[in-house]
Amino acid sequence: KAGVTQTPRYLIKTRGQQVTLSCSPISGHRSVSWYQQTPGQGLQFLFEYFSETQRNKGNFPGRFSGRQFSNSRSEMNVSTLELGDSALYLCASSLGVGNTEAFFGQGTRLTVV
Amino acid sequence: DAKTTQPNSMESNEEEPVHLPCNHSTISGTDYIHWYRQLPSQGPEYVIHGLTSNVNNRMASLAIAEDRKSSTLILHRATLRDAAVYYCILRPLGGSNYKLTFGKGTLLTVNP
Repeated sequence: KAGVTQTPRYLIKTRGQQVTLSCSPISGHRSVSWYQQTPGQGLQFLFEYFSETQRNKGNFPGRFSGRQFSNSRSEMNVSTLELGDSALYLCASSLGVGNTEAFFGQGTRLTVV
Repeated sequence: DAKTTQPNSMESNEEEPVHLPCNHSTISGTDYIHWYRQLPSQGPEYVIHGLTSNVNNRMASLAIAEDRKSSTLILHRATLRDAAVYYCILRPLGGSNYKLTFGKGTLLTVNP
C-alpha cells in the first residue's frame, strides 16, 4: 500500500510569507503527527491530530497551525515566516496506539530567505 | 514524557554485529520501547518495538532488560546501508498521547 506522502518536497519562501504543507497518511491511519527537524534542535514535535481533533501540541508559537480533514489528510500552516523556520518538516501517520509503529513521509524541505 | 539516554555515536565494521544501548530508567509499566532510524536525507524509519519480551524481526532484534530500565537494539550483521541515526523512544500504550519524543539518538558509522 502507498506510504505517507508529503507535498511539496521542496519549498523556498521569503520572510513574512506564509506556507501550507500537506500530508496524506497511509490508508486507514487516523493519527497524523508533524515534526520539525533542524540541525540545532533535532526532531521536535509540532502537533498531532486524530480524527480531525488536535490531541497534542508541541512548544511552538501560534504561527504554526494545522488541521486534519475527514479523510485523515492533514495540512500544516506557518504564517509570517522567519529565517529560523527553515527546516525539514516531517509528517508521520499511525493507527494511533503505543503498540503500533509510526510511518514517516520523506518530508518537506522549507527554506526561508 | 519518560526520557531515554543513548550514546552520541558508535562505530562498527561491516558484517559484524552491532549492539546499540538505550537507558530508560523512568519507564512506566505501559510504555512501549520503540526504535527508529533515520538514514541521511530521509524521514525516520521504524525498526522494532517491544514491551517486556525480546523481539525479533527481519531488520533487527530488541533485547529488553528484566527491569525494563534499559534495552539494546541488535543489528546482527551491519551493512553500509545501516549507517544512520538510531533513536530509542518510549511510547505509551494508551491515552491520547501518540507523539514520538525524539532525543539526539546514536549516530552509527559502519566501516567497510
